[in-house]
Amino acid sequence: SQQGEEDPQALSIQEGENATMNCSYKTSINNLQWYRQNSGRGLVHLILIRSNEREKHSGRLRVTLDTSKKSSSLLITASRAADTASYFCATDPRDGIYNQGGKLIFGQGTELSVKP
Amino acid sequence: DTAVSQTPKYLVTQMGNDKSIKCEQNLGHDTMYWYKQDSKKFLKIMFSYNNKELIINETVPNRFSPKSPDKAHLNLHINSLELGDSAVYFCASSLRGGPYYEQYFGPGTRLTVT
Repeated sequence: SQQGEEDPQALSIQEGENATMNCSYKTSINNLQWYRQNSGRGLVHLILIRSNEREKHSGRLRVTLDTSKKSSSLLITASRAADTASYFCATDPRDGIYNQGGKLIFGQGTELSVKP
Repeated sequence: DTAVSQTPKYLVTQMGNDKSIKCEQNLGHDTMYWYKQDSKKFLKIMFSYNNKELIINETVPNRFSPKSPDKAHLNLHINSLELGDSAVYFCASSLRGGPYYEQYFGPGTRLTVT
């Protein structure tokens, strides 16, 4: 079953503004990851946050995780036209069995459009 | 150098045909995956292999058969193609198969079944 749901489904902003995307999930997790997909390309890993972490930064990216609410957010500060892409959260479910297979469950993504 | 490569990039075929998609990674990773992305961009894992051993098979029809000749390659063979198989198929790899490892994706193969 689908684990993550992103909100909003689409977001359009001007260059220089901040973009915030949210992700909700249903079960306990080991970690949550964010990926970016440019049009017609494969996914690129952005950041991984473990279940015992609350916040993580990487360059202009800031990710928060609230395991009590089963939600995460991705903030992109000072956005650029090159940030235009789809952004996916992916959860690594903790289902009582060691996730040897590396299974990730993806949401349907937020389509971000940054206008110059 | 491409880290995860897939061939072909586009595949157009008719219903009932059999086709294969090849994937190679040069990252020295132990684990490889196949994902299917539908027209709504929903990405779902199909298979996971760890050192040539099948670990995950996510209720995929047995018309889909992955094959891993070595840990750098994971191919996907599809028999008796159906219209519903039209999608973009992504290969990915990670250093290990457990939690906490990021996955590296190939560029995708867009399969169109007519």
